[in-house]
Amino acid sequence: EVHLVESGGALVQPGGSLRLSCAASGFTFSSYSMHWVRQAPGKGLESVSAISGDGGNTYYANSVKGRFTISRDNSKNTLYLQMGSLRGEDMAVYYCARETILGGSNDYWGQGTLVTVSS
Amino acid sequence: DVVMTQSPLSLPVTLGQPASISCRSSQSLVFSDGNIHLNWFHQRPGQSPRHLIYKVSNRDSGVPDRFSGSGSGTDFTLKISRVEAEDVGVYYCMQGTHWPWTFGQGTKVEIK
Repeated sequence: EVHLVESGGALVQPGGSLRLSCAASGFTFSSYSMHWVRQAPGKGLESVSAISGDGGNTYYANSVKGRFTISRDNSKNTLYLQMGSLRGEDMAVYYCARETILGGSNDYWGQGTLVTVSS
Repeated sequence: DVVMTQSPLSLPVTLGQPASISCRSSQSLVFSDGNIHLNWFHQRPGQSPRHLIYKVSNRDSGVPDRFSGSGSGTDFTLKISRVEAEDVGVYYCMQGTHWPWTFGQGTKVEIK
């Protein structure tokens, strides 16, 4: 059974940094592209970043480009999101999500981890 | 970015009756391989999104057959043939053709 478990969410001050992790199990992690999707309180869903199975290709939303870095460690079956220069608008639940094997959608999602940006 | 526009944003429904949600994209969603990556998700309060439909009309494993997706070009529809109590929540369309992948605003389905 596929499991995705996010961790690392916390209260951080504006301008601060945070690293999120997503531990994956139940599938061959290195064979799948992975995504981070966020949801601000009471709002809709926003794709933040994605990374190919081998980590060679990364993608970012314009809103986080230059501030966030996605990475993965296939030996540990873990996805990461390094977040820097955090702003109030970055406050959200961050979900990691697996991309479908043929691409184009996200079939499994974690339970999410909350990032709060406040002084 | 591709803009996904859903309607209605709120949908009160009667148990056992059909429901329909529309999703329109600001540009074609045809991928280079000919696939159309238009997907639907359902999110119950306090839960993660659940993958319902991919590539316009394909139900994910375990999704009841009362859910169906259709559409072409830039207009797509999610239909529930007979709404059940567990179907309440917010439904999102999402395009996975152009990066960044983008979602509709969400349609909140509630029981009358």
